[in-house]
Amino acid sequence: DADVTQTPRNRITKTGKRIMLECSQTKGHDRMYWYRQDPGLGLRLIYYSFDVKDINKGEISDGYSVSRQAQAKFSLSLESAIPNQTALYFCATSVGTAGISGANVLTFGAGSRLTVL
Amino acid sequence: AQSVTQLGSHVSVSEGALVLLRCNYSSSVPPYLFWYVQYPNQGLQLLLKYTSAATLVKGINGFEAEFKKSETSFHLTKPSAHMSDAAEYFCAVSVTYRYSSASKIIFGSGTRLSIRP
Repeated sequence: DADVTQTPRNRITKTGKRIMLECSQTKGHDRMYWYRQDPGLGLRLIYYSFDVKDINKGEISDGYSVSRQAQAKFSLSLESAIPNQTALYFCATSVGTAGISGANVLTFGAGSRLTVL
Repeated sequence: AQSVTQLGSHVSVSEGALVLLRCNYSSSVPPYLFWYVQYPNQGLQLLLKYTSAATLVKGINGFEAEFKKSETSFHLTKPSAHMSDAAEYFCAVSVTYRYSSASKIIFGSGTRLSIRP
């Protein structure tokens, strides 16, 4: 099994629908992240969580919400999906206590491709 | 503010030729710098990282990068390209918060590397 698992891998939905993307990890990492990838824009940080009780907004959090249900689970929700949220979404994890250099090495899931019509 | 710029959204080289992917960073403090690679339909994986131990950093698959403070650059090179190197490559810098040991990663916009037979 993959260290970081994202579900679903692909999803097509309609404008206005609520969507949840789920992420689970077996790395035992404290820190979890949600990124969005768009062609030519690289990866942009949506939300991040340094532990279960610590959740922070990233650069593009508007229209998104997250839930850290457990150390191993971090979900991203789109309350009312819109077409410009069509993108490839990545969950990532990192250690939290191994020093700055260790804390910055990210382990990524395989991605969830979302299409909003 | 810390940031990273990748020059060239698409680079094409012949098999066996030198690979050079350019990355420049902006940081007010000594940065932690990374190169990640994304193969088709996969998540990102770490290629190499610079954490101030040595200016020439060797990574996986024959890639290396040199940290040049005077040029604020961290270019990625490989002496001889292989067809399996075709992928998208992302440069990234860590962003450390003032008064905190917490940090997050900021990615460049990516460079797609194509290899010609």
